[in-house]
Amino acid sequence: GQNIDQPTEMTATEGAIVQINCTYQTSGFNGLFWYQQHAGEAPTFLSYNVLDGLEEKGRFSSFLSRSKGYSYLLLKELQMKDSASYLCALTGGGGNKLTFGTGTQLKVEL
Amino acid sequence: DAGITQSPRYKITETGRQVTLMCHQTWSHSYMFWYRQDLGHGLRLIYYSAAADITDKGEVPDGYVVSRSKTENFPLTLESATRSQTSVYFCASRAGGRGGEKLFFGSGTQLSVL
Repeated sequence: GQNIDQPTEMTATEGAIVQINCTYQTSGFNGLFWYQQHAGEAPTFLSYNVLDGLEEKGRFSSFLSRSKGYSYLLLKELQMKDSASYLCALTGGGGNKLTFGTGTQLKVEL
Repeated sequence: DAGITQSPRYKITETGRQVTLMCHQTWSHSYMFWYRQDLGHGLRLIYYSAAADITDKGEVPDGYVVSRSKTENFPLTLESATRSQTSVYFCASRAGGRGGEKLFFGSGTQLSVL
C-alpha cells in the first residue's frame, strides 16, 4: 500500500518563497508527481521526479529523496495566483495508478 | 475541441436512482481513470482502464460500475445512488502505463445525491 502525508494548510506572502513538503511510504516506487489545483478546477501537472535531486522549472522546483521517502515543492517569487491546493502523488508498483495525498492548501497574502 | 471532456458539469439526483457520468477523450490515450474528490480525503481512485474492454478496481469501487467499449469513452455509473456518493468526480487519461506519463484531467462533475 501507499501512504502520503502533506501539511493541510500553509500561508505565505507575495514575493516570498514557500516549501511544501510531502512524505510517503510505499511498497513500490515508480515516481512522484506534483499537481496544482485551483478552487473549483481540475488538477494540472506541475512536475515529476523519479530520481533523487532537484528538478527546476521556472518559479517551481521539486526535490526528491527516495531513501528518505521525502519530496518538496518549492515556489519562488510567489504571486497571488499561486493560491491553490498542491497535490503530491505517487505511481504504484506497476506505474499504472496514481495515488494522491490530501493536498496542501496554500494561501498567498499581500 | 481536442482534450478530455466530462458531462454533465453538475448533477442533482435522488437516492436510489441510477446516474451515469460521461467521459470522452480525443487523444486516443490508452489509460483512463475515475477519481472522486472529497474534503479530507483528497482524490481517490474509483476505477481505471488500461485499454478498451480492460477495467480494474481502484481504492473505492463499491457502488460504481464502469465500461470501456471504445478507447475514447469511459462512462461511470452509479447503479443506485447514495448520499455518501455526493462528491466531485474527475475523469483523467494518460497516454501509456509508464511511470512518468502525466495525467490529464477533465473539468469534473459535481454530483449531489439528495
